Amino acid sequence: NAGVTQTPKFRVLKTGQSMTLLCAQDMNHEYMYWYRQDPGMGLRLIHYSVGEGTTAKGEVPDGYNVSRLKKQNFLLGLESAAPSQTSVYFCASTHHPGTSAYNEQFFGPGTRLTVL
Amino acid sequence: AQTVTQSQPEMSVQEAETVTLSCTYDTSENNYYLFWYKQPPSRQMILVIRQEAYKQQNATENRFSVNFQKAAKSFSLKISDSQLGDTAMYFCAFMTFSGTASKLTFGTGTRLQVTL
Repeated sequence: NAGVTQTPKFRVLKTGQSMTLLCAQDMNHEYMYWYRQDPGMGLRLIHYSVGEGTTAKGEVPDGYNVSRLKKQNFLLGLESAAPSQTSVYFCASTHHPGTSAYNEQFFGPGTRLTVL
Repeated sequence: AQTVTQSQPEMSVQEAETVTLSCTYDTSENNYYLFWYKQPPSRQMILVIRQEAYKQQNATENRFSVNFQKAAKSFSLKISDSQLGDTAMYFCAFMTFSGTASKLTFGTGTRLQVTL
């Protein structure tokens, strides 16, 4: 199993450009998440999905859009990149988010995005 | 608002010694989980240990153990017999539940350096 993978690993954009980050998981997890990590801060939730075809806003959703067309994939889009979106982006997935022994979130390796 | 506070930005410990990382949190929820994640220089987020809030017994995982004080909302991580491979950022996080989804709230992290 590859677990959670993210594409690309690094990207540099100019202000105003658009791009899509791809997250894929092969664990048949229902729930997927996008976080951003900034220096001196913990991970903050951008958007999440509770199943194929569903998405919901997290703590810092502005400037981002997401789609979950297939269960195994969760896409994060930046329509018009801004320098404030320079960050490391992490995707995560989990089988069952509830009060069970299976609520661990598994993380991808991250994508470092720089917006000039 | 739910918050996680890690008051030690950086810590250092000698190999084979014991170190304790502190974490406090604030939530009005009664049902939640607590986690410690490790982030080595590779950037990968790795689950170290998990604690269910309704369990009084402290979780242990090999050299890692927690001291969970629910009334004080404290969740410290003790690393025994520290190894060079323990050098990493450590994030405390807690998980709450909203409808069908879970949400992780992270602290700002403690950078641990294990020295010879």
